[in-house]
Amino acid sequence: DSGVTQTPKHLITATGQRVTLRCSPRSGDLSVYWYQQSLDQGLQFLIQYYNGEERAKGNILERFSAQQFPDLHSELNLSSLELGDSALYFCASRDGTGELFFGEGSRLTVL
Amino acid sequence: TQLLEQSPQFLSIQEGENLTVYCNSSSVFSSLQWYRQEPGEGPVLLVTVVTGGEVKKLKRLTFQFGDARKDSSLHITAAQPGDTGLYLCAGARVQGAQKLVFGQGTRLTINP
Repeated sequence: DSGVTQTPKHLITATGQRVTLRCSPRSGDLSVYWYQQSLDQGLQFLIQYYNGEERAKGNILERFSAQQFPDLHSELNLSSLELGDSALYFCASRDGTGELFFGEGSRLTVL
Repeated sequence: TQLLEQSPQFLSIQEGENLTVYCNSSSVFSSLQWYRQEPGEGPVLLVTVVTGGEVKKLKRLTFQFGDARKDSSLHITAAQPGDTGLYLCAGARVQGAQKLVFGQGTRLTINP
C-alpha cells in the first residue's frame, strides 16, 4: 500500500461525457502528479500540483483540467471524452527524497 | 518521440536465466529511476541512480547508470517468476526537476 488513494478504480462511460478522477496523496506529501498510461505510449506526465498550485504541465489536453484543494486532495477532470482517452490514470505523491509513490490507478474505458 | 527508449519492449525467459534491460537516451539526465509495476497496481520505485558510472545492487538486481548519464541498465541474475512485471525507467532532466520522463517499459515474463 503506497498510501496514495485513487477513486474510482474503474469507470466506463460514453464518448462526449465528462468524468472526475480523485486522488488523495500520502499523509504529509504536498505534491500530486497525474500520469496517463496507455498500452502504446507508456506513462505520460500530465500535470503536477504543489500545495494547491500548479507547478509543471506536461502533455495535458485542453479538454482535461486538474486542481488541488486545501486538504491536498486532487481531482482530474476529463471532458468531451473520446475513445482514445481510454487509459489508466495514475496519481502519485512525492516525498522529500524525490521518490514518487503511485496510487493503484483509475481505469477509464470510453465506449 | 520517446525521450527514453527501453529495450527490449517484451522479454520472456525461463526461470534461472539472466537478463539485461536497457534504457537509452540522447539526453543527459541528472538522475534516473527504475520502477516495477505489477498488474492492477501503480509503479513502485526500485532504485535511484544519480552519479555517472554508479552501480547499485538490490539482491539479484543490478542497476547501472552510464558514465555520460544518458543511459542505464538493469541486470537480473537467476530470474524468478516473482520478477515478472513491467519495468520502467524514468529520468529527471535537471536536479530537483518536477517532471519525470518515463520510458515505455519492458514487460518481463519469467516462466517456471
